[in-house]
Amino acid sequence: DTEVTQTPKHLVMGMTNKKSLKCEQHMGHRAMYWYKQKAKKPPELMFVYSYEKLSINESVPSRFSPECPNSSLLNLHLHALQPEDSALYLCASSQATDGNSPLHFGNGTRLTVT
Amino acid sequence: AQSVTQLDSQVPVFEEAPVELRCNYSSSVSVYLFWYVQYPNQGLQLLLKYLSGSTLVKGINGFEAEFNKSQTSFHLRKPSVHISDTAEYFCAVTGYNQGGKLIFGQGTELSVKP
Repeated sequence: DTEVTQTPKHLVMGMTNKKSLKCEQHMGHRAMYWYKQKAKKPPELMFVYSYEKLSINESVPSRFSPECPNSSLLNLHLHALQPEDSALYLCASSQATDGNSPLHFGNGTRLTVT
Repeated sequence: AQSVTQLDSQVPVFEEAPVELRCNYSSSVSVYLFWYVQYPNQGLQLLLKYLSGSTLVKGINGFEAEFNKSQTSFHLRKPSVHISDTAEYFCAVTGYNQGGKLIFGQGTELSVKP
């Protein structure tokens, strides 16, 4: 069982749709992350939140909009996506962004853009 | 800048045989090193981590890794593998001043055959 919960597990959306991915953790972690993973590739960092503030944005296109409403929740708002954005989106959390706190990953949302 | 190289993209091995998955890193600062495992259709699970201290690190599921600073390596080993170890394995590196940014290797697909 994972301690980081992501919903939905699967999502199919058209290029004109707006949808949101949700992530929740109750481990008291103060850092949360969004990663994108294509098939047979390692995860690629998209965003890092530390103490509910965006600390890293890896030059992600504006059609991806992160939000951290509180220390337990992380959302990723999607709008006007492209078919190449189809991937597994992974959320993770850690105690802090000091590097020696391992990341705990959710099982991901598999996104298909049609 | 930091980087990680996993020297083998695929490692086939028979059940109950020993296995070594190789990982080399480069960094200009002190590093924290991790091995994660990803089973099909799941997120990443932490196997083990090296932060400091003893260079031989033991993890879950009978895996261990040895940090070798002179060779900048962090190879993962298991003396006897099971069918259930079939998965993708990722080596990752970060540092204390990286803001939580974890750099992943390209992954090694371990395939255990009966």
